[in-house]
Amino acid sequence: QKEVEQDPGPLSVPEGAIVSLNCTYSNSAFQYFMWYRQYSRKGPELLMYTYSSGNKEDGRFTAQVDKSSKYISLFIRDSQPSDSATYLCAMSFASGGSYIPTFGRGTSLIVHP
Amino acid sequence: DVKVTQSSRYLVKRTGEKVFLECVQDMDHENMFWYRQDPGLGLRLIYFSYDVKMKEKGDIPEGYSVSREKKERFSLILESASTNQTSMYLCASSFSRTGGTYEQYFGPGTRLTVT
Repeated sequence: QKEVEQDPGPLSVPEGAIVSLNCTYSNSAFQYFMWYRQYSRKGPELLMYTYSSGNKEDGRFTAQVDKSSKYISLFIRDSQPSDSATYLCAMSFASGGSYIPTFGRGTSLIVHP
Repeated sequence: DVKVTQSSRYLVKRTGEKVFLECVQDMDHENMFWYRQDPGLGLRLIYFSYDVKMKEKGDIPEGYSVSREKKERFSLILESASTNQTSMYLCASSFSRTGGTYEQYFGPGTRLTVT
Protein backbone atom coordinates (compact mmCIF):
# COMPACT_ATOMS: atom_id res chain seq x y z
CA GLN A 1 0.00 0.00 0.00
CA LYS A 2 1.35 3.39 -0.97
CA GLU A 3 1.68 5.95 1.79
CA VAL A 4 -0.47 8.45 -0.10
CA GLU A 5 -3.25 7.43 -2.46
CA GLN A 6 -4.83 9.77 -4.99
CA ASP A 7 -7.22 8.92 -7.79
CA PRO A 8 -5.56 9.93 -11.08
CA GLY A 9 -8.87 10.82 -12.79
CA PRO A 10 -9.45 12.51 -15.10
CA LEU A 11 -12.26 14.29 -13.34
CA SER A 12 -14.37 16.22 -15.83
CA VAL A 13 -16.85 18.84 -14.59
CA PRO A 14 -18.83 21.70 -16.12
CA GLU A 15 -17.84 25.28 -15.43
CA GLY A 16 -19.31 26.54 -12.16
CA ALA A 17 -19.39 23.13 -10.48
CA ILE A 18 -18.00 22.45 -7.01
CA VAL A 19 -15.03 20.16 -7.31
CA SER A 20 -13.84 17.79 -4.61
CA LEU A 21 -10.33 16.35 -4.84
CA ASN A 22 -9.19 13.82 -2.26
CA CYS A 23 -6.22 11.92 -0.88
CA THR A 24 -5.98 9.17 1.66
CA TYR A 25 -2.87 8.30 3.61
CA SER A 26 -1.66 5.55 5.87
CA ASN A 27 0.89 7.20 8.17
CA SER A 28 -0.84 8.83 11.13
CA ALA A 29 2.33 10.81 11.93
CA PHE A 30 1.79 13.19 9.03
CA GLN A 31 1.04 16.65 10.37
CA TYR A 32 1.39 19.03 7.43
CA PHE A 33 -0.76 18.77 4.35
CA MET A 34 -0.23 20.58 1.09
CA TRP A 35 -1.99 20.97 -2.22
CA TYR A 36 -0.20 21.80 -5.45
CA ARG A 37 -1.61 22.72 -8.84
CA GLN A 38 0.36 21.73 -11.92
CA TYR A 39 -0.49 22.98 -15.38
CA SER A 40 0.61 20.93 -18.35
CA ARG A 41 4.38 21.08 -18.91
CA LYS A 42 4.92 23.38 -15.92
CA GLY A 43 6.23 22.89 -12.38
CA PRO A 44 3.84 22.35 -9.44
CA GLU A 45 2.64 25.52 -7.75
CA LEU A 46 1.89 25.50 -4.03
CA LEU A 47 -1.80 26.32 -3.51
CA MET A 48 -2.36 25.81 0.20
CA TYR A 49 -0.96 24.09 3.20
CA THR A 50 -2.59 23.21 6.51
CA TYR A 51 -1.45 21.90 9.83
CA SER A 52 -3.18 18.99 11.56
CA SER A 53 -6.96 18.78 11.29
CA GLY A 54 -9.51 21.36 10.25
CA ASN A 55 -10.32 23.61 7.34
CA LYS A 56 -8.48 26.40 5.61
CA GLU A 57 -10.05 28.68 3.05
CA ASP A 58 -8.41 30.84 0.38
CA GLY A 59 -10.77 32.43 -2.11
CA ARG A 60 -12.52 29.68 -4.05
CA PHE A 61 -10.33 26.98 -2.51
CA THR A 62 -10.90 25.13 0.76
CA ALA A 63 -8.54 22.55 2.16
CA GLN A 64 -9.91 20.10 4.68
CA VAL A 65 -8.06 17.57 6.83
CA ASP A 66 -9.67 14.70 8.71
CA LYS A 67 -6.88 13.03 10.65
CA SER A 68 -9.18 10.49 12.25
CA SER A 69 -10.04 9.13 8.80
CA LYS A 70 -6.59 9.88 7.31
CA TYR A 71 -8.32 11.78 4.53
CA ILE A 72 -7.69 15.19 3.04
CA SER A 73 -9.74 17.14 0.53
CA LEU A 74 -9.46 20.20 -1.65
CA PHE A 75 -12.72 21.86 -2.66
CA ILE A 76 -12.92 24.29 -5.55
CA ARG A 77 -16.05 26.43 -5.72
CA ASP A 78 -17.34 27.99 -8.92
CA SER A 79 -14.79 26.06 -10.96
CA GLN A 80 -13.36 27.75 -14.06
CA PRO A 81 -11.74 26.36 -17.21
CA SER A 82 -8.51 27.92 -15.94
CA ASP A 83 -8.66 25.47 -13.00
CA SER A 84 -8.02 22.63 -15.46
CA ALA A 85 -4.75 21.13 -14.23
CA THR A 86 -3.33 18.26 -12.24
CA TYR A 87 -3.68 18.62 -8.47
CA LEU A 88 -1.14 16.94 -6.24
CA CYS A 89 -1.50 16.42 -2.54
CA ALA A 90 1.57 16.18 -0.32
CA MET A 91 2.15 15.64 3.35
CA SER A 92 5.02 15.71 5.80
CA PHE A 93 5.93 15.17 9.42
CA ALA A 94 6.38 17.74 12.13
CA SER A 95 9.73 18.17 13.88
CA GLY A 96 11.79 15.08 14.34
CA GLY A 97 10.65 13.52 11.08
CA SER A 98 11.76 13.78 7.50
CA TYR A 99 11.36 17.21 5.96
CA ILE A 100 10.72 15.69 2.58
CA PRO A 101 7.03 15.65 1.69
CA THR A 102 5.38 12.51 0.41
CA PHE A 103 3.40 13.23 -2.73
CA GLY A 104 0.31 11.68 -4.22
CA ARG A 105 0.45 10.96 -7.95
CA GLY A 106 -2.01 13.71 -8.78
CA THR A 107 -5.58 14.01 -10.04
CA SER A 108 -6.22 15.46 -13.48
CA LEU A 109 -9.10 17.95 -13.46
CA ILE A 110 -10.85 19.17 -16.60
CA VAL A 111 -13.35 22.02 -16.30
CA HIS A 112 -15.26 22.43 -19.55
CA PRO A 113 -17.10 25.61 -20.51
CA ASP B 1 7.49 35.58 -3.82
CA VAL B 2 9.74 32.54 -3.84
CA LYS B 3 11.46 32.08 -7.12
CA VAL B 4 13.06 28.88 -8.28
CA THR B 5 14.56 28.98 -11.76
CA GLN B 6 15.93 26.21 -13.93
CA SER B 7 18.53 26.72 -16.62
CA SER B 8 16.55 25.29 -19.53
CA ARG B 9 12.89 24.57 -20.26
CA TYR B 10 13.63 22.09 -23.05
CA LEU B 11 16.79 20.14 -23.74
CA VAL B 12 17.66 17.52 -26.34
CA LYS B 13 20.80 15.46 -25.82
CA ARG B 14 22.36 12.39 -27.38
CA THR B 15 22.95 9.08 -25.66
CA GLY B 16 26.26 9.11 -23.79
CA GLU B 17 26.49 12.87 -23.42
CA LYS B 18 27.14 14.47 -20.05
CA VAL B 19 24.20 16.69 -19.13
CA PHE B 20 24.07 19.51 -16.60
CA LEU B 21 20.79 20.83 -15.21
CA GLU B 22 21.03 23.87 -13.02
CA CYS B 23 18.64 25.25 -10.43
CA VAL B 24 18.77 28.56 -8.58
CA GLN B 25 16.54 29.78 -5.75
CA ASP B 26 16.41 33.28 -4.36
CA MET B 27 14.80 32.71 -0.93
CA ASP B 28 17.82 31.58 1.07
CA HIS B 29 16.32 28.10 1.47
CA GLU B 30 18.48 25.50 3.16
CA ASN B 31 16.98 22.51 1.37
CA MET B 32 17.03 21.81 -2.34
CA PHE B 33 15.72 18.83 -4.25
CA TRP B 34 15.77 17.23 -7.68
CA TYR B 35 12.81 15.16 -8.86
CA ARG B 36 11.86 13.52 -12.09
CA GLN B 37 8.25 13.22 -13.13
CA ASP B 38 6.95 10.61 -15.52
CA PRO B 39 3.36 9.84 -16.56
CA GLY B 40 1.75 7.36 -14.19
CA LEU B 41 4.75 7.36 -11.84
CA GLY B 42 4.36 10.74 -10.18
CA LEU B 43 7.24 12.63 -8.62
CA ARG B 44 10.31 10.60 -7.78
CA LEU B 45 13.10 12.05 -5.68
CA ILE B 46 16.57 11.75 -7.20
CA TYR B 47 18.77 13.68 -4.75
CA PHE B 48 18.41 16.34 -2.14
CA SER B 49 20.68 18.68 -0.24
CA TYR B 50 20.12 20.23 3.18
CA ASP B 51 23.21 22.43 3.18
CA VAL B 52 26.06 23.60 0.99
CA LYS B 53 28.26 20.69 -0.09
CA MET B 54 25.86 18.21 1.55
CA LYS B 55 23.85 15.74 -0.48
CA GLU B 56 21.68 12.73 0.16
CA LYS B 57 20.39 10.09 -2.22
CA GLY B 58 16.71 9.96 -2.89
CA ASP B 59 14.70 7.06 -4.27
CA ILE B 60 16.30 6.83 -7.72
CA PRO B 61 19.89 8.20 -7.66
CA GLU B 62 21.39 5.72 -10.13
CA GLY B 63 22.87 7.43 -13.17
CA TYR B 64 22.78 10.87 -11.55
CA SER B 65 25.03 13.01 -9.40
CA VAL B 66 24.59 16.45 -7.85
CA SER B 67 26.63 19.42 -6.80
CA ARG B 68 25.88 22.21 -4.35
CA GLU B 69 28.75 24.66 -4.04
CA LYS B 70 26.60 27.66 -3.14
CA LYS B 71 23.47 27.83 -1.04
CA GLU B 72 21.29 29.15 -3.84
CA ARG B 73 22.42 26.74 -6.55
CA PHE B 74 21.89 22.99 -6.96
CA SER B 75 23.04 21.15 -10.07
CA LEU B 76 21.95 17.77 -11.37
CA ILE B 77 24.43 15.89 -13.56
CA LEU B 78 23.69 12.99 -15.86
CA GLU B 79 27.12 11.44 -16.26
CA SER B 80 26.23 9.53 -19.43
CA ALA B 81 22.73 10.23 -20.64
CA SER B 82 20.56 7.29 -21.63
CA THR B 83 17.16 7.17 -23.34
CA ASN B 84 15.47 6.02 -20.12
CA GLN B 85 16.44 9.36 -18.59
CA THR B 86 14.09 11.16 -20.94
CA SER B 87 11.77 12.88 -18.50
CA MET B 88 10.58 16.10 -16.89
CA TYR B 89 13.09 17.23 -14.26
CA LEU B 90 11.87 19.43 -11.44
CA CYS B 91 13.91 21.34 -8.90
CA ALA B 92 12.41 22.39 -5.57
CA SER B 93 13.53 24.20 -2.44
CA SER B 94 12.26 24.60 1.12
CA PHE B 95 13.13 26.12 4.45
CA SER B 96 14.34 24.13 7.41
CA ARG B 97 12.17 25.10 10.34
CA THR B 98 12.11 23.66 13.81
CA GLY B 99 8.66 22.14 14.10
CA GLY B 100 8.03 22.23 10.34
CA THR B 101 6.54 23.21 7.92
CA TYR B 102 8.21 21.73 4.93
CA GLU B 103 6.31 23.01 1.95
CA GLN B 104 8.38 22.93 -1.20
CA TYR B 105 8.53 25.49 -3.98
CA PHE B 106 9.15 24.20 -7.46
CA GLY B 107 10.85 25.52 -10.55
CA PRO B 108 9.22 25.46 -14.00
CA GLY B 109 10.82 22.16 -14.96
CA THR B 110 13.21 21.01 -17.68
CA ARG B 111 11.86 18.65 -20.30
CA LEU B 112 14.88 16.51 -21.25
CA THR B 113 14.82 14.27 -24.30
CA VAL B 114 17.70 11.85 -24.84
CA THR B 115 17.93 10.44 -28.36
